[in-house]
Amino acid sequence: RKEVEQDPGPFNVPEGATVAFNCTYSNSASQSFFWYRQDCRKEPKLLMSVYSSGNEDGRFTAQLNRASQYISLLIRDSKLSDSATYLCVVRVNTGGFKTIFGAGTRLFVKA
Amino acid sequence: GAVVSQHPSWVICKSGTSVKIECRSLDFQATTMFWYRQFPKQSLMLMATSNEGSKATYEQGVEKDKFLINHASLTLSTLTVTSAHPEDSSFYICSVSRQLTSYEQYFGPGTRLTVT
Repeated sequence: RKEVEQDPGPFNVPEGATVAFNCTYSNSASQSFFWYRQDCRKEPKLLMSVYSSGNEDGRFTAQLNRASQYISLLIRDSKLSDSATYLCVVRVNTGGFKTIFGAGTRLFVKA
Repeated sequence: GAVVSQHPSWVICKSGTSVKIECRSLDFQATTMFWYRQFPKQSLMLMATSNEGSKATYEQGVEKDKFLINHASLTLSTLTVTSAHPEDSSFYICSVSRQLTSYEQYFGPGTRLTVT
């Protein structure tokens, strides 16, 4: 089982749609959680950190459920420019900290 | 603005040659930098953790003699791919970790290496 698992997609949605991505992690020692966005042939860029209380940034809402070891990202009112791969990232304390990346979920937003 | 820079952004080299990739932390002094590799349609894989003033820590399966890392200063780490082979062709990305709230990682723009 992968340490961080995501639905690879692709998700094909029309502009204006709401889309949700899920991510599960296996290590209960995971301490910090993030969503990154990666455009084709570019580096990942931090989209948002994820907190237990949930957090929102404009059209983006992230949720963390530690009991279920589950993270989600909700994108409302999708734009064409949201098309990218979304990476779920977990920071684990294994004696030293280690950052583990999910394989990513590909999103295509179409006009 | 950019937190991390990398140079070159892309390079084509012949089999058997060596290629050096530079990673610079622009905003702050980074005692630790990370080197990742990403093959097409795959996730980032950590190759090694570069520690300023000491030897890098390599992940299992990464040959330290093939991927030489030097972290000579608090703002510069270099990765040298020695005796490159076509299977080394990949996207190499460095990153720094910064404690703003949760040790977010910031990535350089990456170096696309093609070995012919």
